[in-house]
Amino acid sequence: GEDVEQSLFLSVREGDSSVINCTYTDSSSTYLYWYKQEPGAGLQLLTYIFSNMDMKQDQRLTVLLNKKDKHLSLRIADTQTGDSAIYFCAESDPALIFGKGTTLSVSS
Amino acid sequence: KAGVTQTPRYLIKTRGQQVTLSCSPISGHRSVSWYQQTPGQGLQFLFEYFSETQRNKGNFPGRFSGRQFSNSRSEMNVSTLELGDSALYLCASSLGQTNEKLFFGSGTQLSVL
Repeated sequence: GEDVEQSLFLSVREGDSSVINCTYTDSSSTYLYWYKQEPGAGLQLLTYIFSNMDMKQDQRLTVLLNKKDKHLSLRIADTQTGDSAIYFCAESDPALIFGKGTTLSVSS
Repeated sequence: KAGVTQTPRYLIKTRGQQVTLSCSPISGHRSVSWYQQTPGQGLQFLFEYFSETQRNKGNFPGRFSGRQFSNSRSEMNVSTLELGDSALYLCASSLGQTNEKLFFGSGTQLSVL
């Protein structure tokens, strides 16, 4: 079956770049998504990428897609303490299938 | 435009009881999806409703059911609650086209004692 894998934790210092990685299995997914969840809150859509794209940039966020390796990454430039949260990647099948989430901890 | 609204925010129930959770989608959205989030299993898809019809269903037992009303509001029901049903239940809405972005509510935290 479909499975989305992410590393569980990432710790960075304020001002550094963060890179969160994800692998997925369903090559037929049209879109791939990144969601953010802060404590006690629901999921906030951060960005998404169409499967025929290699890269998408949106302000501090850069998404890279390697379709051959089924690898997706989210880079956050100039990471701030307010970026501390859990980040989920998801593929559509058509329901969203989520990874277990990467907890990003930003220290000042 | 108001976001997705879920009520209640917190619920405490005992084993064997049933519970109903409510979700009001973003105005104009016709699709409502439900997800269960637990520390162990992560986010799992329950079902999706579009125009009052269940369009997609995940792998949950029949104790989990839902419905959608003509105004697109949705409810999900869990009967004969088990301890393992303790979770954050998230509702998401979209216009209803394929591969659309989902907008999530803040969830209902259900605790089963």
